[in-house]
Amino acid sequence: ETVMTQSPATLSVSPGERVTLSCRVSQSVSSRLAWYQQKPGQAPRLLIYGASTWATGIPARFSGSGSGTEFTLTISSLQSEDFAVYYCQQYNDWPPTFGQGTKVEIK
Amino acid sequence: EVQLLESGGGLVQPGGSLRLSCAASGFTFSNYAMSWVRQAPEKGLEWVSSITGSGTSTYYADSVKGRFTISRDNSKGTLYLQMNSLRAEDTALYYCAKDPDSYSGTYIDYWGQGILVTVSS
Repeated sequence: ETVMTQSPATLSVSPGERVTLSCRVSQSVSSRLAWYQQKPGQAPRLLIYGASTWATGIPARFSGSGSGTEFTLTISSLQSEDFAVYYCQQYNDWPPTFGQGTKVEIK
Repeated sequence: EVQLLESGGGLVQPGGSLRLSCAASGFTFSNYAMSWVRQAPEKGLEWVSSITGSGTSTYYADSVKGRFTISRDNSKGTLYLQMNSLRAEDTALYYCAKDPDSYSGTYIDYWGQGILVTVSS
C-alpha cells in the first residue's frame, strides 16, 4: 500500500498569508494525486486532481504542484473560508490512499 | 446538480450486518464508477470499496475484503454496500462517492453527506 505523509499536521495562519502544504508519497505516483478540503461537519470537497488541475469551481488562489513523490498545495492568500483540514490522495495504485491531513487553523 | 443521498446506517452489534444505500441523481449513473469512503470519528479518510460503471468489476480494501460487498442497480441509480461481520473498528461515517469516469479507484469528484455506522454492544 502506498503511504502518504502530510506535513505539517497543523498550521496556524493569519488571513491573507500564503500557505504551503506538503504531501510526500512512499513511491512514485506520477501526477496521479488529488487534494481535498474538509470543513467541520461537511464532506470533503475536491480541490485539485492530476496534481495541478483545478476541480470545477475552485478559486485560483488554490494551486497544486509536484510529481513523483513530492507534492505541494499552495493557497496564495488565505481567506476566512479556507480554514479547514486538507487531505492529499494518490490514485496510482489500489487501494487509493489518503494522507492523514493538515489542519489549517486561525493564528 | 449531482446529488448523493446515503441511507441505512445506524447502531449494530459486533458481528452484525447492515446494508447502506446511496441514491444518486443529476448525472448518468451507469457512466461512472462509484465508491464508498469512510471516516472514523476524529480520524482521516479510508477508501473502502469501488465498483465500475457497468458493475462488472469491484475492488475492496484489505480491511473489509470478505466481509463487505459493493453493488449497484443502474436502473434505479442506486449504490449499495452490504456490510457483514461488523467490528468495532468499522465504526465510521460512510460516504457515498462518485468517481470522475467509469473506471474505479481514481479520485472523487462528488461526495454524499455521509451516513453514520456505529458498531457497539
